[in-house]
Amino acid sequence: QLQLQESGPGLVKPSETLSLTCTVSGGSIRSGTYHWGWIRQPPGKGLEWIGSVYYTGGTSYTPSLRSRVTISVDTSKNQFSLKLSSVTAADSAVYYCASDEPLPGDNTNIFDYWGQGTLVTVSS
Amino acid sequence: SSELTQDPAVSVALGQTVRITCQGDSLRRYCASWYQQKPGQAPVLVIYGKNNKRPSGIPDRFSGSSSGNTASLTITGAQAEDEADYYCNSRGSSGDHLVFGGGTKLTVL
Repeated sequence: QLQLQESGPGLVKPSETLSLTCTVSGGSIRSGTYHWGWIRQPPGKGLEWIGSVYYTGGTSYTPSLRSRVTISVDTSKNQFSLKLSSVTAADSAVYYCASDEPLPGDNTNIFDYWGQGTLVTVSS
Repeated sequence: SSELTQDPAVSVALGQTVRITCQGDSLRRYCASWYQQKPGQAPVLVIYGKNNKRPSGIPDRFSGSSSGNTASLTITGAQAEDEADYYCNSRGSSGDHLVFGGGTKLTVL
């Protein structure tokens, strides 16, 4: 049973870079079964997929954030990370990390396991 | 606006059946999955895949279906504990990214 845990600052200043890390336990990030994703949810609003990374370092990002996002993986620490640059108040949200499992036979991806989420507020 | 469209709110009487829908052009090509989210909690996968599978532990009153550009989540015999936000998820129209619907708040009366 995978467990994921987000960590990072809860407060970031406008124009700076938001940095979060997700630690995976209960399995190896190199298993190949999963990609590793970040999803966010502004207070009172819906879910937004930010992007996902494979253990080889391959990434995919949502188009609206592609210019500001970097997701990377550290297999030695069983962790993956999110960096979002030039943040504004609109980036304030609960940020979740999750396992992203492609199901080619079903032509879909599913998020099986989720972290508890961490609230990041952008404010001076 | 999202590539996947959901009704913002739906209500159902206790024990009755409710259908929550998700519309989008990409659903003609890609399957939808459905997530339940209760206040203060992370989302939970409830339905996924071509044959609308249920993960272990999800009650069989949850089922899914799809037709054309619309995917549906049906709860047969809604219970009080089913009151939650429900989100559909699939690939976007270009296939190279994932998208969530805007979410549907389900109220059980």
